[in-house]
Amino acid sequence: GENVEQHPSTLSVQEGDSAVIKCTYSDSASNYFPWYKQELGKRPQLIIDIRSNVGEKKDQRIAVTLNKTAKHFSLHITETQPEDSAVYFCAASPNYGGSQGNLIFGKGTKLSVKP
Amino acid sequence: TAGITQAPTSQILAAGRSMTLRCTQDMRHNAMYWYRQDLGLGLRLIHYSNTAGTTGKGEVPDGYSVSRANTDDFPLTLASAVPSQTSVYFCASSQGLGNTEAFFGQGTRLTVV
Repeated sequence: GENVEQHPSTLSVQEGDSAVIKCTYSDSASNYFPWYKQELGKRPQLIIDIRSNVGEKKDQRIAVTLNKTAKHFSLHITETQPEDSAVYFCAASPNYGGSQGNLIFGKGTKLSVKP
Repeated sequence: TAGITQAPTSQILAAGRSMTLRCTQDMRHNAMYWYRQDLGLGLRLIHYSNTAGTTGKGEVPDGYSVSRANTDDFPLTLASAVPSQTSVYFCASSQGLGNTEAFFGQGTRLTVV
């Protein structure tokens, strides 16, 4: 089955700097890669996702890149702000012959943005 | 719009007792999931349902059971709770299985003593 590794587990940056979180996946059949943000005491919420037919996707200060050959994808946050402080989860979902599998999550990255 | 709701919000349960965590969604989503969240381990899938009437095992199904009698409800039952089941439990739903946005409930914090 799919296995998702996420690094780093914790990340501290100064406000205004960029933050990068990296994930690798094991199953070459994976074709959907979402990122979720979880603020302290709250539920995870989708912030951006990418599908395997796209190499990069941007949404304002957030971007995700995907390298299918190397089986890794990354989240990039530019001009970080204190409200970006949260735990971020990557996930991957495989597709086997048209049958989509479940989302498998990485262990999360706790991002702290210092004012 | 309620979205997806869980009950109870928190619970302390004696080991050996049974309990059902409730989850209801009003988005008419086909797929529903139960995850547990433990510090340093991320979100691990317990059970899932592709559509009403069908269920499947996730990564950590032992000690848990689910049912999906209709589209809206997806209860999770612990038949005989053990301390290792102390965790935060999240129910989620999505239109399709695994390839569209998953919406999470607010979570249930369960402590087994």
